[in-house]
Amino acid sequence: GENVEQHPSTLSVQEGDSAVIKCTYSDSASNYFPWYKQELGKRPQLIIDIRSNVGEKKDQRIAVTLNKTAKHFSLHITETQPEDSAVYFCAASMRRGSGGYNKLIFGAGTRLAVHP
Amino acid sequence: DTEVTQTPKHLVMGMTNKKSLKCEQHMGHRAMYWYKQKAKKPPELMFVYSYEKLSINESVPSRFSPECPNSSLLNLHLHALQPEDSALYLCASSLELKSTDTQYFGPGTRLTVL
Repeated sequence: GENVEQHPSTLSVQEGDSAVIKCTYSDSASNYFPWYKQELGKRPQLIIDIRSNVGEKKDQRIAVTLNKTAKHFSLHITETQPEDSAVYFCAASMRRGSGGYNKLIFGAGTRLAVHP
Repeated sequence: DTEVTQTPKHLVMGMTNKKSLKCEQHMGHRAMYWYKQKAKKPPELMFVYSYEKLSINESVPSRFSPECPNSSLLNLHLHALQPEDSALYLCASSLELKSTDTQYFGPGTRLTVL
């Protein structure tokens, strides 16, 4: 069935350290993997995404890696800052139905706390 | 305009009330979505519209009724809700329904059902 597992559920780091969040997905047809950051009371905001034709993507302090064979992808945040504190959701997009609709299957979320 | 907007921000309603949530985007996106998010949980898909036609209903109870009057607007009509329906209701849009199209979320409506 459709499933995305995300670990860890909580992550606490010191400012300046790196943070890594890992996700695995079940459907080998998945071809798009966004990461969303959600601060308390706010909308999920896309921070980076990767499509299945590449293995790694970087945007300043944030990087995502994808291993299609193992069906897992990871978010890496370097030089963490207190403003990185939020809940992070990974997701895998799957095409469903004859019309081919775009369904995002979300992981359960990781609560990241960056301490000054 | 590069945002999805939603009104109202907060809504409190009784179980016998009828209310509507509104979502708007002017990015030219042709796919629009309603999600429900409970506290400390990920968003959960409810409905998907593509080119103003309902494409998917994720087995949502009939007390939730979506409507897409035009390509920029999406409504969610609420009637006879239960207290367990209290949640953050998020709208999202994407260019089309392709599985690689990015979904952009609105700020949500926080709904409380008394």
